[in-house]
Amino acid sequence: GAVVSQHPSWVICKSGTSVKIECRSLDFQATTMFWYRQFPKQSLMLMATSNEGSKATYEQGVEKDKFLINHASLTLSTLTVTSAHPEDSSFYICSAEIYRDSQSTDTQYFGPGTRLTVL
Amino acid sequence: LAKTTQPISMDSYEGQEVNITCSHNNIATNDYITWYQQFPSQGPRFIIQGYKTKVTNEVASLFIPADRKSSTLSLPRVSLSDTAVYYCLVGPFSGGYNKLIFGAGTRLAVHP
Repeated sequence: GAVVSQHPSWVICKSGTSVKIECRSLDFQATTMFWYRQFPKQSLMLMATSNEGSKATYEQGVEKDKFLINHASLTLSTLTVTSAHPEDSSFYICSAEIYRDSQSTDTQYFGPGTRLTVL
Repeated sequence: LAKTTQPISMDSYEGQEVNITCSHNNIATNDYITWYQQFPSQGPRFIIQGYKTKVTNEVASLFIPADRKSSTLSLPRVSLSDTAVYYCLVGPFSGGYNKLIFGAGTRLAVHP
């Protein structure tokens, strides 16, 4: 099956610093990737849609200048949390949409997630 | 995107069959129904997807009535390792814009 990896799996940083999270599709090309955030005991919340070679589309209420997304290749999307604060502490998960024969399969495979803790 | 309604939680015992029903009254013609499983501190895992009638794979079955306003995920003979949160999602097919909106999900607890 399709494999999506994330790096790092966890990170602890000081308030005010920036943190970059990588999302890679290991055995397929991902034109579209998605970034989610999940707080404890809550559901996943979609943050943005990342398209290769173009600007990301952010969901309402998500600050694009704070959560920078870059999708420079068909196998890598990055999420940078800029000037992180304790309230940004969360579980960040990416997913990639699977295409077959240039058609979307309407199926997404998710990465293992990255636990961010901001002190 | 169609909203979904699922039970908040369910309890079961090892070896039993578990059926989780999801309501999606406003499902659109081109929407598919997808179920994901999530363990704590892990990304969701795709379980099964369907459009109508019944779909079966090695881990689950998905039953969809003719009106498609609901669907039922059936897990045969659950084990302790099936304890997880199960999400039902509906969304458009293809078009390069497959945005999944997660609801609260159903917390399944399997007991010995």
